[in-house]
Amino acid sequence: DTGVSQDPRHKITKRGQNVTFRCDPISEHNRLYWYRQTLGQGPEFLTYFQNEAQLEKSRLLSDRFSAERPKGSFSTLEIQRTEQGDSAMYLCASSTGTGVEQYFGPGTRLTVT
Amino acid sequence: GQNIDQPTEMTATEGAIVQINCTYQTSGFNGLFWYQQHAGEAPTFLSYNVLDGLEEKGRFSSFLSRSKGYSYLLLKELQMKDSASYLCAVRSNQAGTALIFGKGTTLSVSS
Repeated sequence: DTGVSQDPRHKITKRGQNVTFRCDPISEHNRLYWYRQTLGQGPEFLTYFQNEAQLEKSRLLSDRFSAERPKGSFSTLEIQRTEQGDSAMYLCASSTGTGVEQYFGPGTRLTVT
Repeated sequence: GQNIDQPTEMTATEGAIVQINCTYQTSGFNGLFWYQQHAGEAPTFLSYNVLDGLEEKGRFSSFLSRSKGYSYLLLKELQMKDSASYLCAVRSNQAGTALIFGKGTTLSVSS
């Protein structure tokens, strides 16, 4: 499968713990996006990378969230001191530099208990 | 601010035609997208409009009027597998940056 992959697919954690998610974009895609989606809502933008540079970050993204894309390939999203409100589906998407379409991965479903 | 509105739910029968409307107010505009999302799955791309008019792709068509801040997705010859959420999204800045999504319209197709 050459699509966007995400790991893990599901994560259950206790409030206050740190979690890290990984996204592997389509190999020739230099743009990578993180979104968060809660039930009954559309995806909400979190952050965007072009190669290894983080070019855009949502103002809604709290300081507890950090994302990296160290070599311009895979990316990680870390949430520190998780809260119940962080429970959501975390979606990763990628695109080419000139492409219109963003290709989404299957998502990581986070449940904070 | 940024606002994208679409109906929450719609129902239709197999073989029918359905139109899902979307209105938007954003600080800039560089394209309108429609995505399909089946329950528990990732969104998949359906269509893209950046100029006014109709784009047709098989059973699916999408229309854009930039002056009215309005788009619709038209689905023809509905099939049961078209039951899904349909997400309207706007790219407000230059190419490559974030999409702003509406809440989605859940379409239920019955036989």
